[in-house]
Amino acid sequence: NAGVMQNPRHLVRRRGQEARLRCSPMKGHSHVYWYRQLPEEGLKFMVYLQKENIIDESGMPKERFSAEFPKEGPSILRIQQVVRGDSAAYFCASSPDQGGPYGYTFGSGTRLTVV
Amino acid sequence: GQQVMQIPQYQHVQEGEDFTTYCNSSTTLSNIQWYKQRPGGHPVFLIQLVKSGEVKKQKRLTFQFGEAKKNSSLHITATQTTDVGTYFCAAPGGGGTSYGKLTFGQGTILTVHP
Repeated sequence: NAGVMQNPRHLVRRRGQEARLRCSPMKGHSHVYWYRQLPEEGLKFMVYLQKENIIDESGMPKERFSAEFPKEGPSILRIQQVVRGDSAAYFCASSPDQGGPYGYTFGSGTRLTVV
Repeated sequence: GQQVMQIPQYQHVQEGEDFTTYCNSSTTLSNIQWYKQRPGGHPVFLIQLVKSGEVKKQKRLTFQFGEAKKNSSLHITATQTTDVGTYFCAAPGGGGTSYGKLTFGQGTILTVHP
């Protein structure tokens, strides 16, 4: 039973380029969450999605960042016109329902480096 | 919004010593979760506490949820080098029974010296 799959594991982008991060939740999980983590810092919530719906995007920067979770295919976190400050680890997590007793299952993350 | 304070930020111990990390919230929590992240890895769910005063054990790890459901602790007895990593507490966002979004504490980075 595959866990949460994120790709790519490492992504290098030049300033001004676009970054696309993909996340396929665990089978049977319909809730997807994206978190950002800077080195030696905590996990900052970005966005919570269900299929075709954004439930909570209160942690998303107002500009350049967008997320989707289409009916078919993985969830995508898109960062347009990347800047050095976007360099971080981006983790996706999924859960089968809200507040279930098994917590989140996290993917291995995408380490984004902006040069 | 929901805030969860976690201390200490760093803890260095000799192998065999005990370790404790604490988590505090200004609001009553519906539940609290604990995660471990190994260096270079991703967070892994350890446990969820729901009931007031709840205590759960996993081998050398003991998790407690305060009577007022505003604080929690993770205690590791006789640390081993495999315990190295960052331990996070996490609470549902928005307070009350609002689930979905989790707010994470800042984490405690544990280093174990052999």
